[in-house]
Amino acid sequence: EVQLVESGGGLVQPGRSLRLSCAASGFTFVDYAMHWVRQAPGKGLEWVSGISWNGGSILYADSVKGRFTISRDNAKNSLYLQMNSLRAEDMALYYCAKDWARYTSGLQDYWGQGTLVTVSS
Amino acid sequence: QSVLTQPPSVSAAPGQKVTISCSGRSSNIGTNYVSWYRQLPRTAPKLLIYDNNKRPSGIPDRFSGSKSDTSATLGITGLQTGDEADYYCATWDSSLSAVVFGGGTKLTVL
Repeated sequence: EVQLVESGGGLVQPGRSLRLSCAASGFTFVDYAMHWVRQAPGKGLEWVSGISWNGGSILYADSVKGRFTISRDNAKNSLYLQMNSLRAEDMALYYCAKDWARYTSGLQDYWGQGTLVTVSS
Repeated sequence: QSVLTQPPSVSAAPGQKVTISCSGRSSNIGTNYVSWYRQLPRTAPKLLIYDNNKRPSGIPDRFSGSKSDTSATLGITGLQTGDEADYYCATWDSSLSAVVFGGGTKLTVL
């Protein structure tokens, strides 16, 4: 059974940093691209970033480019999102999602339950 | 403002059929496959339809998908109260090099 478990969310002040983690199990992690998708309170889904199976291809939404860094450790079956210079508009539930392919595509076939990031002074 | 356009809400009676539209452009729906996700209240999104019209294992055939030019449609027949949820379309945008989602459609089963 595919499982994606996010962690690392919490309350952070504007301008500060936070690192999210996603622990994957139930599938061969190294064979798939991964994504971070967020959902602000009461809002829709917004893609944040995606990373290919080997980390060789990384993409970001314009809204986070230059502030967020996605990475993965295939030996630990883990995905990460380093979030710097956080803003109020970054406050959301952050989902880790598995792609169906080795390179980022428009299809995420499994999602975690999310970790909540609150940005407030 | 989402890249893909969906109606904010739709409603229908139990047992009836409903369709949810998703409109895009040539760089996204026009050239790439469309996926649909269902998000029940306070839960993570779940894949409902992929590659425009395919259903993952375990998804009943009450759910169907179609695509024409730069638009896609999700159809749900035999509506049940348990179908009340938010539905999202998604695809790859070749110009943006990004995953794009619709704004979501809230389905109410009256």
